[in-house]
Amino acid sequence: NAGVTQTPKFRILKIGQSMTLQCTQDMNHNYMYWYRQDPGMGLKLIYYSVGAGITDKGEVPNGYNVSRSTTEDFPLRLELAAPSQTSVYFCASSYGSGASNQPQHFGDGTRLSIL
Amino acid sequence: DQQVKQNSPSLSVQEGRISILNCDYTNSMFDYFLWYKKYPAEGPTFLISISSIKDKNEDGRFTVFLNKSAKHLSLHIVPSQPGDSAVYFCAASVWNNDMRFGAGTRLTVKP
Repeated sequence: NAGVTQTPKFRILKIGQSMTLQCTQDMNHNYMYWYRQDPGMGLKLIYYSVGAGITDKGEVPNGYNVSRSTTEDFPLRLELAAPSQTSVYFCASSYGSGASNQPQHFGDGTRLSIL
Repeated sequence: DQQVKQNSPSLSVQEGRISILNCDYTNSMFDYFLWYKKYPAEGPTFLISISSIKDKNEDGRFTVFLNKSAKHLSLHIVPSQPGDSAVYFCAASVWNNDMRFGAGTRLTVKP
C-alpha cells in the first residue's frame, strides 16, 4: 500500500546544479501536485497536473519545470538551483477536484538544501 | 498574500480536554476547507473537510466548524489524546487543484 512515493528523501545541491525530484503514485489518481514548505510557512503550490500530458502553474512556479507523461509519475525539475529553493518538497495526488471533493494524499517529502 | 491564516503557532492542552484550532481566510470564493495533520518527517495526512454549504462536520473526536460570515473555521478535538500531538494545517480551495494552506499550529497534548 505505497500511496505516493517521493525520491530522494534528502539531497544537497550546489548553486547552479540541476536535479529532478521523483514522485510516483499507485492509486490511479488523475490529479497530481507539487508543493514546497519553507520553515514556519504553509505549503505553497508549485505546479499541478490534471492528467497525463496536462500541467499548469501554481502559486510559485518560477525556477521549476514539470512533466506528466504517465498517470503514475510527476517529476519536478530544478534547472539552475538557487539558495532560495532550499525547502521541503511534497508531492500529492487526488482522484478529482472541486465537486468531487477528494482530499489530497501526500508523500513524505524531499528535503533539499542548496549551498 | 496569505489567504489562509493560522494565527496561533502553538497550542498546549491536557489529555482529555478539548483542543480548539483556529483558521481565518480572506478569499470569499473558497468553497472547500480541509484540515491536515502532520507528524515530523512525514507528509500531511487528511483529517477532515467541510464544504461551504455546511457549517459543521463531525468525524469521531474531530469536528470542524465553518463561519462563512466571519471567514473563520475551527477544528475541535474532544477528548484530546497524546497521539494527537502534531502540526495541524488548515487549507482552503476554490477548486481542489489550487489549495492554499495556513502556516500550521503545533498541538501538544500533555498526559
